[in-house]
Amino acid sequence: AQRVTQPEKLLSVFKGAPVELKCNYSYSGSPELFWYVQYSRQRLQLLLRHISRESIKGFTADLNKGETSFHLKKPFAQEEDSAMYYCALHSGNTPLVFGKGTRLSVIA
Amino acid sequence: GAGVSQTPSNKVTEKGKYVELRCDPISGHTALYWYRQSLGQGPEFLIYFQGTGAADDSGLPNDRFFAVRPEGSVSTLKIQRTERGDSAVYLCASSPLSQNEQFFGPGTRLTVL
Repeated sequence: AQRVTQPEKLLSVFKGAPVELKCNYSYSGSPELFWYVQYSRQRLQLLLRHISRESIKGFTADLNKGETSFHLKKPFAQEEDSAMYYCALHSGNTPLVFGKGTRLSVIA
Repeated sequence: GAGVSQTPSNKVTEKGKYVELRCDPISGHTALYWYRQSLGQGPEFLIYFQGTGAADDSGLPNDRFFAVRPEGSVSTLKIQRTERGDSAVYLCASSPLSQNEQFFGPGTRLTVL
């Protein structure tokens, strides 16, 4: 069965510090991985997807098939990055499977 | 343009009652998804429509849950004989093609007393 694990419920970092939100998945095939973000009082929205290989708001994520990971990284955290972050997996005709989420708190 | 909208934003009901939750997808989006998000959890898939038909309803927890999309646009999630465990935020999302980026609505917070 497909599963997405985000081991940290809460991650607190100081402004300007590097950020890494961990995501591990279990799936034997070739999945498509996403990061969704939910800012305070806003709806869930796509942050980035692994196939696009782009940097959004300074965030990047690399799919590591050997480690089955898709960690989200940003070199210098900003206060406006504070939000809930969800890693999600999709493959073939299966629906999106979300992790439980990590709340990122950036402290000024 | 308008995003995905959901009504009501909040619904409080009593155990055993019937509720309907509505989702208006982005115009032209053929795929529509329902998720349920309980406290401290990520969204959990319920059902997915491609056009008018339910392409995958494997996430519906039991036969008290049912969803329709009769004209391929608006969708209604129906819950019969509600139970306290049904309390959650129900999210709707739409996408222009199956399994592309999903655009989420604000959710309906359902509370069953």
